[in-house]
Amino acid sequence: NAGVMQNPRHLVRRRGQEARLRCSPMKGHSHVYWYRQLPEEGLKFMVYLQKENIIDESGMPKERFSAEFPKEGPSILRIQQVVRGDSAAYFCASSPEGQSYSNQPQHFGDGTRLSIL
Amino acid sequence: GDSVTQMEGPVTLSEEAFLTINCTYTATGYPSLFWYVQYPGEGLQLLLKATKADDKGSNKGFEATYRKETTSFHLEKGSVQVSDSAVYFCALSPTGANNLFFGTGTRLTVIP
Repeated sequence: NAGVMQNPRHLVRRRGQEARLRCSPMKGHSHVYWYRQLPEEGLKFMVYLQKENIIDESGMPKERFSAEFPKEGPSILRIQQVVRGDSAAYFCASSPEGQSYSNQPQHFGDGTRLSIL
Repeated sequence: GDSVTQMEGPVTLSEEAFLTINCTYTATGYPSLFWYVQYPGEGLQLLLKATKADDKGSNKGFEATYRKETTSFHLEKGSVQVSDSAVYFCALSPTGANNLFFGTGTRLTVIP
C-alpha cells in the first residue's frame, strides 16, 4: 500500500525558470494539501485541493504559484519565474474523502527539496 | 490567529533519559492536536493525536495530554532510544479548518 509519492525528491532551478512538483496521493485519497518548509521553520500551509477543485488557497503566494489536481494524474504545484526565496522543502499530504480532516491525520510524502541557483 | 509554539532545540539526551518537548497553542474553539515525527530524509509521520480536552495520545512509548486549561500538548517519553533521534513537530487543526498549523520543530539527538 504505497504512501504519498512526491517527485522529484530534489530539484535545482536557476532564477527565472519554472519548477513543477508532483504529488500522487495515497490510494483511495482524494484530498491533497501542499505545505512549504523554509529552512529552520515549521511547515506552512499553502493550498488544499480535491479532484479538479481548489478548495482553499489562502496560503498560496498571489503571484507565480499555482496548483492543480486533475481528474487523472498527480497533483502539480507549479512555480513560475523562480527566485532564491523559493528555495525550500515542499511537502504534499493527502487524506481520504468523507473524513473530517480536523480529526483525521494527513499522510505526508517525503517532500521535494527545491534549490534555486 | 491559530498558532503553535514549540520548544526550541536542539535537544541532546543520553539513551534511557526522560524526554519532554513543550508545545503550547493558540486557537479558537476546540482544535485537534497532533505530534508528527520526521526522520532524516523522510516525510512527516503521525506519532500521536488528541481530539478533545483531557485526551491522552500515545504511541511507541510517547505520550501527550491535551490540556485546555494551559493550552498545552507536551510530548513525553520515559526512556528514549537512539532510534528516536528525529525532528518532532507539534501541530493543530482548528475546528472546521482545512489545514494544519505546525510548530517550528524540535530536533532530538539521542546518544548511546
